[in-house]
Amino acid sequence: GAVVSQHPSWVICKSGTSVKIECRSLDFQATTMFWYRQFPKQSLMLMATSNEGSKATYEQGVEKDKFLINHASLTLSTLTVTSAHPEDSSFYICSARRQGPGNTIYFGEGSWLTVV
Amino acid sequence: TQLLEQSPQFLSIQEGENLTVYCNSSSVFSSLQWYRQEPGEGPVLLVTVVTGGEVKKLKRLTFQFGDARKDSSLHITAAQPGDTGLYLCAGYNQGGKLIFGQGTELSVKP
Repeated sequence: GAVVSQHPSWVICKSGTSVKIECRSLDFQATTMFWYRQFPKQSLMLMATSNEGSKATYEQGVEKDKFLINHASLTLSTLTVTSAHPEDSSFYICSARRQGPGNTIYFGEGSWLTVV
Repeated sequence: TQLLEQSPQFLSIQEGENLTVYCNSSSVFSSLQWYRQEPGEGPVLLVTVVTGGEVKKLKRLTFQFGDARKDSSLHITAAQPGDTGLYLCAGYNQGGKLIFGQGTELSVKP
């Protein structure tokens, strides 16, 4: 079964509104989670690294005020797309690093966002 | 900047054919990973190669890590329609973040 869960799996929102996507590690604590964005038939592009108890670090070109990331607990990171526009429509995927031998990374199932 | 270049980006073949996907970089990676992703789902890890020159087999899939640890390949023998999907190579950059190649969209027609 999935060890990292995302919610919602898909969401439709109106332009100008904000939408929150949750990423949960189900059976381990994750001090670090990652958020990726993926357009159809393209690869995953790293947006930001979410660090528990501290500010997220964003990749170059990603607007931190647009994509708010909060990692309030060791099992939950949230990505909020603020003032969404149609060009924000995409597949958003999170991953969580499980500390231990190999520091294995587990991916969530992804969340489809459609902004109309 | 460490980049992973994947080729080809699209591949459409008939069932039973063989294929190879390449993942190249000008940088050395401590390890490389291969993922398979189906539409609307997260990527699923297939294999991690760690040692230069390493070859790993997973049923009809053969993964190779270059001697210099700058490149890797995925070879599929006798492809089946169930192999259809997006194949991604990935590696950890110097900042410890997992970065992906552009992906190879494979379509296997019956």
